[in-house]
Amino acid sequence: DAKTTQPNSMESNEEEPVHLPCNHSTISGTDYIHWYRQLPSQGPEYVIHGLTSNVNNRMASLAIAEDRKSSTLILHRATLRDAAVYYCILRDVYGGSQGNLIFGKGTKLSVKP
Amino acid sequence: EAGVAQSPRYKIIEKRQSVAFWCNPISGHATLYWYQQILGQGPKLLIQFQNNGVVDDSQLPKDRFSAERLKGVDSTLKIQPAKLEDSAVYLCASSLERRQGNTEAFFGQGTRLTVV
Repeated sequence: DAKTTQPNSMESNEEEPVHLPCNHSTISGTDYIHWYRQLPSQGPEYVIHGLTSNVNNRMASLAIAEDRKSSTLILHRATLRDAAVYYCILRDVYGGSQGNLIFGKGTKLSVKP
Repeated sequence: EAGVAQSPRYKIIEKRQSVAFWCNPISGHATLYWYQQILGQGPKLLIQFQNNGVVDDSQLPKDRFSAERLKGVDSTLKIQPAKLEDSAVYLCASSLERRQGNTEAFFGQGTRLTVV
């Protein structure tokens, strides 16, 4: 079972920032927070991951709460191409079954022109 | 860098027939995953390989599904016999290292199976 909670859907306007929340109140000290997204008719695509500190890459930013019980994926300027289902996943650093990518239902992001 | 290759992209079969899917992971990736994604749901892990050994197949319906990864590279997933509820997209993914959560997985485009 997925150990994260996300809203089912969100809407955004094109060229505006988007903040996608994720709750993971049972996170352990060895869990990395991963984000993947899935565009229509495509396989999931890696977006970003982090452990404790905020992370930035060319696609997005990841803001992690100080207690690590929640995180937020930030798309700085949404484009139509960002319309997808976004998955927040916990992945144990030591592997095992906790190291697998276990997908929940994710958040379906719609972007309006 | 070439991505994860899967074939075929689409397959339609009748129930009780058998079907096989093929996956070629990214070169050098030790870990390979097979997922099943039913329409409207998130991907569900079926099996995970580390090189040519099975690490986790707890969600694989072993009465009809089988998978192998000969020589630790390519992998095949087979369904025999297929049921209507097996209609789904079958995704293959690979990653460099299983034992660390600090790695990303790369997914193929999937094979869409329709059982009629």
